[in-house]
Amino acid sequence: EADIYQTPRYLVIGTGKKITLECSQTMGHDKMYWYQQDPGMELHLIHYSYGVNSTEKGDLSSESTVSRIRTEHFPLTLESARPSHTSQYLCASSDAGGAGSEAFFGQGTRLTVV
Amino acid sequence: QQQVKQSPQSLIVQKGGISIINCAYENTAFDYFPWYQQFPGKGPALLIAIRPDVSEKKEGRFTISFNKSAKQFSLHIMDSQPGDSATYFCAASYSGNTPLVFGKGTRLSVIA
Repeated sequence: EADIYQTPRYLVIGTGKKITLECSQTMGHDKMYWYQQDPGMELHLIHYSYGVNSTEKGDLSSESTVSRIRTEHFPLTLESARPSHTSQYLCASSDAGGAGSEAFFGQGTRLTVV
Repeated sequence: QQQVKQSPQSLIVQKGGISIINCAYENTAFDYFPWYQQFPGKGPALLIAIRPDVSEKKEGRFTISFNKSAKQFSLHIMDSQPGDSATYFCAASYSGNTPLVFGKGTRLSVIA
């Protein structure tokens, strides 16, 4: 089983609240990712990082921000939650291998904004 | 523009049958093609992966077939079981600092 953890698993919050979704991995992976998974299953890359102090935006425009101060930790923050942010958020990590390497996913955080 | 196109969106297969899911890609620089399996309430997990230097890879009941000239690859699940019922994603990436690009997923149901 992958050593990547997301908290909380479920979160219901009111509109306008600031929230941080936590993601930690104990595998020493340099690469970490955040995906948003819609009810139709599709995975959308919203942020990624290839090391400490390195962050990039993904393909899906997002109002969230991320930070990478420590290798093992990659939190995602929403400054002001809206109902449109209701979704499943998945964190993943992989090592800095060459041509492709396995991405390990956490169990996800299901966020509902009311 | 979607870089990896996956079909079908959903699939129902009888127990013991063969499940086939197809993916097509555009970017010829892709050189890593994994398949992920996701159960409800869980994150996706790597099932099997292939690189373009081989045309087929088999692990147990799961086989990837790869056609470089057609830019297509497929997952075959032999002797499908109810426990295989899950969502399957194909993906692709290439050397360098590129995250995986995922297909839209296929929801497989294996019925007894």
